Amino acid sequence: KNEVEQSPQNLTAQEGEFITINCSYSVGISALHWLQQHPGGGIVSLFMLSSGKKKHGRLIATINIQEKHSSLHITASHPRDSAVYICAVRLNTDKLIFGTGTRLQVFP
Amino acid sequence: EPEVTQTPSHQVTQMGQEVILRCVPISNHLYFYWYRQILGQKVEFLVSFYNNEISEKSEIFDDQFSVERPDGSNFTLKIRSTKLEDSAMYFCASSGRRQGLAGLRSYNEQFFGPGTRLTVL
Repeated sequence: KNEVEQSPQNLTAQEGEFITINCSYSVGISALHWLQQHPGGGIVSLFMLSSGKKKHGRLIATINIQEKHSSLHITASHPRDSAVYICAVRLNTDKLIFGTGTRLQVFP
Repeated sequence: EPEVTQTPSHQVTQMGQEVILRCVPISNHLYFYWYRQILGQKVEFLVSFYNNEISEKSEIFDDQFSVERPDGSNFTLKIRSTKLEDSAMYFCASSGRRQGLAGLRSYNEQFFGPGTRLTVL
């Protein structure tokens, strides 16, 4: 049973499109992370949130605790946004439980 | 901007050999983690470390694995006798001090290193 589900698994877009990636989880959490993994493998933390909404540049992350759902939005997408986007949840401990990731490709 | 570093970037070893993966966490962080990602699979938690001891570990982290903070800056993961299935990308992460209100604990963001790709032949 997957505790963290992401959709879609793969996503292609044209430059400039608005992107939405969804994450649903089945357990009670203390925080949710959105991470970006580039083709070389490195992982970059984009957001950590436990309620509401956060914005950083063209990225917006929202979470609905009651519905156990989070979304990551990218406005005005660009080819350099191409990466795997990973949702990870933190339970009432230190460890993160990861989703399988959404592979995004943005074409010029 | 401070960052987590890991060495080596790629390690190739023979099955049965011992390997040590090294990490230098962000200097004022107190919580340290190891994760691994087998090719094509999701990232999995291995172990968390605080105050010079393991605070949590997963089922993957068996007796073949150990962690150590040998000095004030390094954090290492040792695999005693590597198996083919240990081939993966290993990520170190660190986070700062916990902050929380009474009855509510909040956790700080984890910062990840670039990873070490371990190949066991």
